[in-house]
Amino acid sequence: EAGVAQSPRYKIIEKRQSVAFWCNPISGHATLYWYQQILGQGPKLLIQFQNNGVVDDSQLPKDRFSAERLKGVDSTLKIQPAKLEDSAVYLCASSLLSGGSTDTQYFGPGTRLTVL
Amino acid sequence: AQSVTQLDSQVPVFEEAPVELRCNYSSSVSVYLFWYVQYPNQGLQLLLKYLSGSTLVKGINGFEAEFNKSQTSFHLRKPSVHISDTAEYFCAVSDQGTYKYIFGTGTRLKVLA
Repeated sequence: EAGVAQSPRYKIIEKRQSVAFWCNPISGHATLYWYQQILGQGPKLLIQFQNNGVVDDSQLPKDRFSAERLKGVDSTLKIQPAKLEDSAVYLCASSLLSGGSTDTQYFGPGTRLTVL
Repeated sequence: AQSVTQLDSQVPVFEEAPVELRCNYSSSVSVYLFWYVQYPNQGLQLLLKYLSGSTLVKGINGFEAEFNKSQTSFHLRKPSVHISDTAEYFCAVSDQGTYKYIFGTGTRLKVLA
């Protein structure tokens, strides 16, 4: 079974530029998550989708971050414009069912973003 | 509100020695608990999880954890570590009825030859 795929793996941009990350979840997984992992911290949930609907985006900085999940499969996360504090690893995860507490989340390798 | 505390940011240990990585949580409701491992430049991989039942949970790669409700702890243990266990370990909590995982800040395990 193929895992969660993410691209690019690394990205370096200057502040005020825009950037987009792509995630392809495990086939058949209904729920998709985007996390931000700042160096020295644990992952923090940014947004959760169930199929193509947003379940929770309460911690997404909506003035600069946006995300979509077209057709309930792939997802993109965009930052525009980027700030220095956005430097982090962006992790995508997916789970099979409705995203409940017992639902195991499977993580992709992440995209490491450096904002200069 | 839930929180997870991993007091040890780094744990060095010699190969074949036992190790315990500590995790404490706070929550006003019943919780589910998880341990994930992150190898360099990789995503998080589930080691084990406690949902209900036996408080001793066995996971992959010889790891186990014990849920202690009175101590609000979920410490991870391995009786004999290998060089390949060098990685970052994250404890996470999720309360029953929600989906959100709250992660600790991680413990970097370094196994020395």
